[in-house]
Amino acid sequence: AQSVTQLGSHVSVSEGALVLLRCNYSSSVPPYLFWYVQYPNQGLQLLLKYTSAATLVKGINGFEAEFKKSETSFHLTKPSAHMSDAAEYFCAVSDQSSGGSNYKLTFGKGTLLTVNP
Amino acid sequence: GAVVSQHPSRVICKSGTSVKIECRSLDFQATTMFWYRQFPKQSLMLMATSNEGSKATYEQGVEKDKFLINHASLTLSTLTVTSAHPEDSSFYICSAAYYGYTFGSGTRLTVV
Repeated sequence: AQSVTQLGSHVSVSEGALVLLRCNYSSSVPPYLFWYVQYPNQGLQLLLKYTSAATLVKGINGFEAEFKKSETSFHLTKPSAHMSDAAEYFCAVSDQSSGGSNYKLTFGKGTLLTVNP
Repeated sequence: GAVVSQHPSRVICKSGTSVKIECRSLDFQATTMFWYRQFPKQSLMLMATSNEGSKATYEQGVEKDKFLINHASLTLSTLTVTSAHPEDSSFYICSAAYYGYTFGSGTRLTVV
């Protein structure tokens, strides 16, 4: 079974500073990994995904993540934080053992990012 | 891009009544739809997986008679919360497995 651990339920950065949100996963098969962002009372928006191609994945809004198999990590970064980046971020792993092409997602507990002016 | 339209965005209902939440895939066919529940400041918990034309598969601990899921067409899946009680108050989100899982905008259910 897959699992995801997001280190730090709350991360606070200054505007313009580096954003680093940590995610470690556990998987018995090669994983598909995702980062999502959620604004209050809204659904989830996909930032980026890793599906066994390039280990450095670039996403929307300047975010990127690097898949490191040896560390079982998929940390999310952004060089310079904007006020609009303040939101909840979720890391997720797909459960390929579900079979077929529609895999269930297992989410981490989320990390709330606040950006200080 | 792919869009999943979820309605209503907010609903308040009286205890004992039923509420239906709809999720429509606007520009693609959603063979499979996932339904999640999210408590305040918590992560998403998968409730069930619905496949078009067949019965939904519920996660352990989810009452299938309380949370009725119907996926009658490739573009529409519905979740009906039957005989709702205050403890069913939550944020419900649907997701279609399409290009990294496309999520609806969520429904805030408040049972009074």
